[in-house]
Amino acid sequence: EVQLVESGGGLVKPGGSLRLSCAASGFTLSSYNMNWVRQAPGKGLEWVSSISSSGNYIYYADSVKGRFTISGDFAKNSLYLQMNSLRAEDTAVYYCARDHTGWFDFDYWGQGTLVTVSS
Amino acid sequence: QSALTQPASVSGSPGQSITMSCTGTSSDVGGYNHVSWYQQYPGKAPKLLIYAVSNRPSGVSNRFSGSKSGNTASLTISGLQAEDEADYYCSSYRSTSTLVVFGGGTKVTVL
Repeated sequence: EVQLVESGGGLVKPGGSLRLSCAASGFTLSSYNMNWVRQAPGKGLEWVSSISSSGNYIYYADSVKGRFTISGDFAKNSLYLQMNSLRAEDTAVYYCARDHTGWFDFDYWGQGTLVTVSS
Repeated sequence: QSALTQPASVSGSPGQSITMSCTGTSSDVGGYNHVSWYQQYPGKAPKLLIYAVSNRPSGVSNRFSGSKSGNTASLTISGLQAEDEADYYCSSYRSTSTLVVFGGGTKVTVL
């Protein structure tokens, strides 16, 4: 059974940093492109970042470029999101999601982890 | 403001069919057949209903169908059921630096 379990969320002050983790099971991370998608409280979905199955291709939304870094550890079958210079507008539930076909259609999602940026 | 435009709400009675739209531009919905639809219940993760405009993943009910015309994609729910009451989001690949855009979501109410 495919499972994605996020962790690492919490309360952080503006300008602070946080590292999210996503543990994958039931499939091999190195076989799929993986993504982070976030959802601000009461708002819609926003794509954040993507990493290819090889780890060679990495993309970011303009809103997080230069502040967030996506990475994967194939040995641990885990995905990460390092978030620096956090802002209030980064407050959201962060989901890791598996890419179904390689064209950004996400077939498996984690349960999400809440990141709150507030002083 | 979301990149793709969806109606805020759509409603229907049990057994009816409803259709919701998702309007983009030639840089996303109109230019590529990479439109997806998701269903989300409150407090839960989204679920993929449709990918590549009109394809259903294994296990998704055939009551859900997708289509596209020009810059507008559509999701139709036929035989509406109480359990279909949820938020629905469309997304599309986009040929810009932000590769994926979502709609603002449509809340479906079953009367």
